[in-house]
Parts: sequence; C-alpha cells; structure tokens
Amino acid sequence: GESVGLHLPTLSVQEGDNSIINCAYSNSASDYFIWYKQESGKGPQFIIDIRSNMDKRQGQRVTVLLNKTVKHLSLQIAATQPGDSAVYFCAETRMSGGGADGLTFGKGTHLIIQP
Amino acid sequence: DAMVIQNPRYQVTQFGKPVTLSCSQTLNHNVMYWYQQKSSQAPKLLFHYYDKDFNNEADTPDNFQSRRPNTSFCFLDIRSPGLGDAAMYLCATSRGGLAGPRGFFGPGTRLTVL
Repeated sequence: GESVGLHLPTLSVQEGDNSIINCAYSNSASDYFIWYKQESGKGPQFIIDIRSNMDKRQGQRVTVLLNKTVKHLSLQIAATQPGDSAVYFCAETRMSGGGADGLTFGKGTHLIIQP
Repeated sequence: DAMVIQNPRYQVTQFGKPVTLSCSQTLNHNVMYWYQQKSSQAPKLLFHYYDKDFNNEADTPDNFQSRRPNTSFCFLDIRSPGLGDAAMYLCATSRGGLAGPRGFFGPGTRLTVL
C-alpha cells in the first residue's frame, strides 16, 4: 500500500545548529501533513501542520516545507536545543474523510543533539 | 488543562487473557483513535470513532475491538492477547470536520504479554 517514509533513521547535529528532517510520501491523495515529536515513553506531540494548498508554514523555531511535485516534506528546526532530542515523525492524511481520517506515519527520525 | 488521559500507563497480561485499555478526553473532540506502536516503529492506526460511527482499518486483526460509550471515553479490548500484541497503545482525538484530523495524543499504555 502507499506509505510515508523518511530518508534517514538518525540525525546528529550540534547544539545551536539548524536541523533538517526529510520525509517522502507516496499517496498523492494526501492533502494534510503533520510533524510530530515523540520523546521516550511519551505520546507524539504536535509540532506543525501544513495543507496541500501551501508550500511553506512557519512556527516558533520550526518551518515545514511541502513540495508536491516530488512528494517531499521537510521539517527545519532553527538553533537546535538539547530539548529537541527526540524521534520525529511525519504523518499524512486526507481531509476528504470528513476531517476524521486517521494518520499514516512515516518511520521516524531520531534527532540527537551533540553538546 | 484539556487533555487525553490513558489508564493504566503500564499493563501486564498473560497470553490469551483478555485485557481492556482505557482512554478519556476532556477536549470534547468528536473523533477518537487507537494506534498501536511497536518498539522502534511508527504508530499504526487500528480504528477510530467519529461520534458513534466506528471505522475499522482493513488490516486490524479481529482480536482488537473498541467501544465508545460516550463522547469522553473510548476503550480498546484485546480478546486474546498474543506475544505479538506487546506494544504501546496510543489514544488520540481530533475535532474532525473542517477543523481537520490533527491528532492530540495521550501518553500511551505500554502492554506487556507474558
């Protein structure tokens, strides 16, 4: 079946540097994308979302970019901090299911912050 | 604070012994979801309720069932747990409709099957 996948399972960055986490999706019907952060032993925590009619959205220290042509999604974290260490998941879904369709998650990237 | 609560946080059961996991929410969201997350894997959707309408994923085993007696509560029943059912079970909610399927997740229940 169609799936959402990530390019790298682990990403190590220096504290203070910017991080970029990438995600490829294959379901062209998906029109809503979300990034989640999951710390060990906890549930996923919402970071930022983007709809398919946009190509960029910014939050506090985070930016999500969507390239529908190549079905690519990225999460940029500015000035990475130790508290950013976690596994990051991209997820996709469709709004057409009454706004209630569940999420299909990518495999996850473990972000490690080096001091 | 409005939130999604899961009880218990840790559950140990024996092979084949039925177990029920509980989820409650104070967000008053229309949609409630159950996900299964195995070690070092991504969450996988099992099913969801939109109000009282139940929606099962095609590949969710019959061993898994769910109940939603009211807006606030949703239960996951595993009729005959096998060793392969050991996982973190995540409950999530969303407003649904035009507000979209952005999921608010609970802390999860970690299930161990002996």
